[in-house]
Amino acid sequence: GAVVSQHPSWVICKSGTSVKIECRSLDFQATTMFWYRQFPKQSLMLMATSNEGSKATYEQGVEKDKFLINHASLTLSTLTVTSAHPEDSSFYICSARRRGGAYNEQFFGPGTRLTVL
Amino acid sequence: QKEVEQDPGPLSVPEGAIVSLNCTYSNSAFQYFMWYRQYSRKGPELLMYTYSSGNKEDGRFTAQVDKSSKYISLFIRDSQPSDSATYLCAMSGGGGTSYGKLTFGQGTILTVHP
Repeated sequence: GAVVSQHPSWVICKSGTSVKIECRSLDFQATTMFWYRQFPKQSLMLMATSNEGSKATYEQGVEKDKFLINHASLTLSTLTVTSAHPEDSSFYICSARRRGGAYNEQFFGPGTRLTVL
Repeated sequence: QKEVEQDPGPLSVPEGAIVSLNCTYSNSAFQYFMWYRQYSRKGPELLMYTYSSGNKEDGRFTAQVDKSSKYISLFIRDSQPSDSATYLCAMSGGGGTSYGKLTFGQGTILTVHP
């Protein structure tokens, strides 16, 4: 149990376009989902926290107008990178906290590799 | 200074060796400590989850937490080539408005060679 999927697993886009990444909890309800960014050989950096039905909370330095997060249901959150540029190329990983689970236990998705040309 | 410090390695050991991975931290509010394993181009997988100080064992893995020294460790016994991955420590505080946010170390790249 506690499986999280992400789609797509990789995406290549042109500079200036927008890209949407989906994060789904397949076998549990996720009250909170987290979005991370990971550069090569570096750690995971939390971008934002989203609770179902409410606005996302962004970490300091993360542009909320550039990284749009929607958590419309208990099993789906989306991250949209708007007007993507090459510096947005990175590995984006989501995680989910299970309803009724330990508040700091997160289940991670497999990640989405974004390459902006 | 980073909140969590972890030597990125890389660390290379022969099969069967005991591996020791460590993290230090500066935030005394951290109470929950986790170790994740991440294979290349994959999401992190939870290995060990501990609360406060002490030891926890699960198969070939042992996690130790020393809150007085702000130091945590992960030991892998009888290491296997399949253990080759990046190991990330992560920590979180005890509640409040943090929503269970995790703070990660940089990760240590481990290679176990046959």
